[in-house]
Amino acid sequence: DSGVTQTPKHLITATGQRVTLRCSPRSGDLSVYWYQQSLDQGLQFLIQYYNGEERAKGNILERFSAQQFPDLHSELNLSSLELGDSALYFCASSVDAGGLAYEQYFGPGTRLTVT
Amino acid sequence: AQTVTQSQPEMSVQEAETVTLSCTYDTSESDYYLFWYKQPPSRQMILVIRQEAYKQQNATENRFSVNFQKAAKSFSLKISDSQLGDAAMYFCAYRGYSGAGSYQLTFGKGTKLSVIP
Repeated sequence: DSGVTQTPKHLITATGQRVTLRCSPRSGDLSVYWYQQSLDQGLQFLIQYYNGEERAKGNILERFSAQQFPDLHSELNLSSLELGDSALYFCASSVDAGGLAYEQYFGPGTRLTVT
Repeated sequence: AQTVTQSQPEMSVQEAETVTLSCTYDTSESDYYLFWYKQPPSRQMILVIRQEAYKQQNATENRFSVNFQKAAKSFSLKISDSQLGDAAMYFCAYRGYSGAGSYQLTFGKGTKLSVIP
């Protein structure tokens, strides 16, 4: 158990819908990272938040957005869902934005299926 | 941008034998970190081993060790005395600077390791 929690574990929804994935980082970790793992694209970095502020962006679609709240939990919002958005979404956390705290701890992931 | 290449989509090893998984990367940075992550059927991403680029000594964690060749930009993982529980997808990852004081991980496509009893 990494200490990172993600809810829900599974999510099934229809095309065009909007969903919210939730992540709680390890106690004391200030950075949250979101990744998408799909069969064709592999594991890709989406976005990072550090202490409530966006710190880095990867291959995140405009239909996707994220935020980190004062209690440091984070939410990833996916809208106008398409079949291709079906994937495993991971959240990871680390103590800081990078620097010396190089290790990211991954949550168990949320499996999103768009039908 | 950094790229990470794992040229072996699948590999198999006999239980108790040794196997080496390959990884190469491309970067212009001199200071970075490299990782191997394991993803078993449960889908949990588990850190196996890390290597700091400035360290010449290869990292070792119990039955797992790496062969880090900085000039060749190669970072292979050796698993000794393979066990059934080692069966998983293995991902090589590069951590480099992404600007604004932040770092991000770039992953390879993964190698699926099967362990034969």
